[in-house]
Amino acid sequence: EVQLVESGGDLVKPGESLRLSCAASGLNFVYAWVHWVRQAPGKGLEWIGRSKSKSDGGAIDYGAPVKGRFTISRDDSRNTLYLQMNSLKTEDTGVYFCTTLLRWEHPGGESWGQGTLVTVSP
Amino acid sequence: DIVMTQSPDSLAVSLGERATINCKSSQSVFHSRTNKNYLTWYQQKPGQPPKLLIYWASTRESGVPDRFSGSGSGTDFTLTISGLQAEDVAVYFCQQYLSDPRTFGQGTKVGIK
Repeated sequence: EVQLVESGGDLVKPGESLRLSCAASGLNFVYAWVHWVRQAPGKGLEWIGRSKSKSDGGAIDYGAPVKGRFTISRDDSRNTLYLQMNSLKTEDTGVYFCTTLLRWEHPGGESWGQGTLVTVSP
Repeated sequence: DIVMTQSPDSLAVSLGERATINCKSSQSVFHSRTNKNYLTWYQQKPGQPPKLLIYWASTRESGVPDRFSGSGSGTDFTLTISGLQAEDVAVYFCQQYLSDPRTFGQGTKVGIK
């Protein structure tokens, strides 16, 4: 069974930084494409970005609201994905999920973590 | 970016009745080479992550009850819950995965009338 466990969420002030982690188990992480998705309180889902596997080129792409402030990285030896968040804003408040969103050829089998809460408040 | 728009924002249905949620994309999410629509539907209950219900617009994820069905192609899609159960009270989202950035509909809240 695939498990994704996020950690690192906290209460921080605007302008501060935070690093989130996503520890994966039950999958061959080195070949996985893993995404970050966030959800502001009472709101919808917003794609933050994605890390492709190194065997598929290793590209990392970001959504417009976080480009230039957030950085995704991965440590395949630790089966872990990271999200470094800098220059945080109040509008970055929300639950951050890591997930293996479906790829074109995948017949289902997507996994989500339970999420970690980030609160940015003065 | 592909914009996903759901309707309605909320609906209330009697137990055992049908619930219908619509999702429209700003451009087609159908790929002619694979002959598939890259559209998923999710169910989310409070305090939980989204749960995948439907992928390729109409294929049910393993373990999802057959009262959930997806239809549509191109830019217009529908999620139907045939015979609403109390445990189906949730928010439902569509998402396109034809291209990055992945984009989601704003969500439709389903409740009991």
